Amino acid sequence: DIVMTQSPLSLPVTPGEPASISCRSSQSLLHSDENNYLDWYLQKPGQSPQLLIYLGSNRASGVPDRISGSGSGTDYTLKINRVEAEDVGVYYCMQSLRAPHTFGQGTKLEIK
Amino acid sequence: EVQLVQSGGGLVQPGGSLRLSCAASGFTFSNYWMHWVRQVPGKGLVWVSHISPDGRATHYADSVKGRFTVSRDNAWNTLYLQISSLRDEDTAVYYCGRYTAPRNGMDVWGQGTTVTVSS
Repeated sequence: DIVMTQSPLSLPVTPGEPASISCRSSQSLLHSDENNYLDWYLQKPGQSPQLLIYLGSNRASGVPDRISGSGSGTDYTLKINRVEAEDVGVYYCMQSLRAPHTFGQGTKLEIK
Repeated sequence: EVQLVQSGGGLVQPGGSLRLSCAASGFTFSNYWMHWVRQVPGKGLVWVSHISPDGRATHYADSVKGRFTVSRDNAWNTLYLQISSLRDEDTAVYYCGRYTAPRNGMDVWGQGTTVTVSS
């Protein structure tokens, strides 16, 4: 199975400051179609998860452009340009290249 | 409105069985891969299973293989997860999710249903 490793696991951020989350996979997620099969999800407190980014760098509908995804192969990054209170929650990466799909451990973003 | 409404959770004894349901509305259910994800309270998300649009292809996490069965009824727009031989460690909130083709992420999630395994 593909193992997903996130860092950091806890991320205290001052409002207005940037934040960055790393996700590494044990195997390359770059498919022969040149897409990276890596999604990012946010689970806000008490809610179901919501899709933020798919195929490594594509924002889902309604996601603000201050949130971006990048990376290729085994290394991926989620960046938030200016953290707002609504960004609080746990962020997960998930690989969809090969079943069983697997999630990272999650990164808890909190406001300082 | 596009939505997934879940039902079927509850308290069950170790070794018991339960069937979870996920009713879809507002979209053409038969066009989508559907997934199950679970979460132990206070812990992270764990992928459980998925099923192809026509129901012919399924995959499972190793931890549930042989005990859980995913299925769907496209005529009734409903996804199922039959969970059997339940163990304490299966206690979790179970979410269903719609996966947008070809690999555009799980963009619609159910509200979750809680399964508690306890004697």
